[in-house]
Amino acid sequence: GDSVTQTEGQVTVSESKSLIINCTYSTTSIAYPNLFWYVRYPGEGLQLLLKVITAGQKGSSRGFEATYNKETTSFHLQKASVQESDSAVYYCALGDSNTDKVVFGTGTRLQVSP
Amino acid sequence: AQTIHQWPVAEIKAVGSPLSLGCTIKGKSSPNLYWYWQATGGTLQQLFYSITVGQVESVVQLNLSASRPKDDQFILSTEKLLLSHSGFYLCAWTGFEQFFGPGTRLTVL
Repeated sequence: GDSVTQTEGQVTVSESKSLIINCTYSTTSIAYPNLFWYVRYPGEGLQLLLKVITAGQKGSSRGFEATYNKETTSFHLQKASVQESDSAVYYCALGDSNTDKVVFGTGTRLQVSP
Repeated sequence: AQTIHQWPVAEIKAVGSPLSLGCTIKGKSSPNLYWYWQATGGTLQQLFYSITVGQVESVVQLNLSASRPKDDQFILSTEKLLLSHSGFYLCAWTGFEQFFGPGTRLTVL
């Protein structure tokens, strides 16, 4: 089957500190998976943060970065210096562009403390 | 610009009662539409998808059904709610990425 694992349900980081949210994936049916990070800010809808469709490439948005690592099947989300406004729930996802199938991780709630 | 509207915003229903959740897409013709569900503390699961009017495919069986009566409308329903149906329901359409509606929070008591 296909699955996405986010090991941390909640992460608390002090403002201006660095962040890493782990994501690993597994797929048996998708030959060339696309990888995504989605974010849900408090009171808002789920929205795409960044997407990478080619192994080895890095995506970036709003100061966040994630590199598609096919060897380790990982797509960790990183930010060098978080802000309070980054507090949200972050979802890693795996997609198949041929079928529009998307598999989500369980999400990681980021709390940035002042 | 495309917009996704979901209704209702939130619903509290009794076990065994019927349910109908709606989703409307504006600004996009013939979208691929999806229903997702997330139980509290769980992961987002794709429930149904539809690529055209009148055609719906089930991805996960949860004693729910879906219909696409119009090109821009996607309905999720059941005749008898279960406690396990509680959660957050999201409608989405796919372009280069997936775009999500604001969601409906359902509480079944």
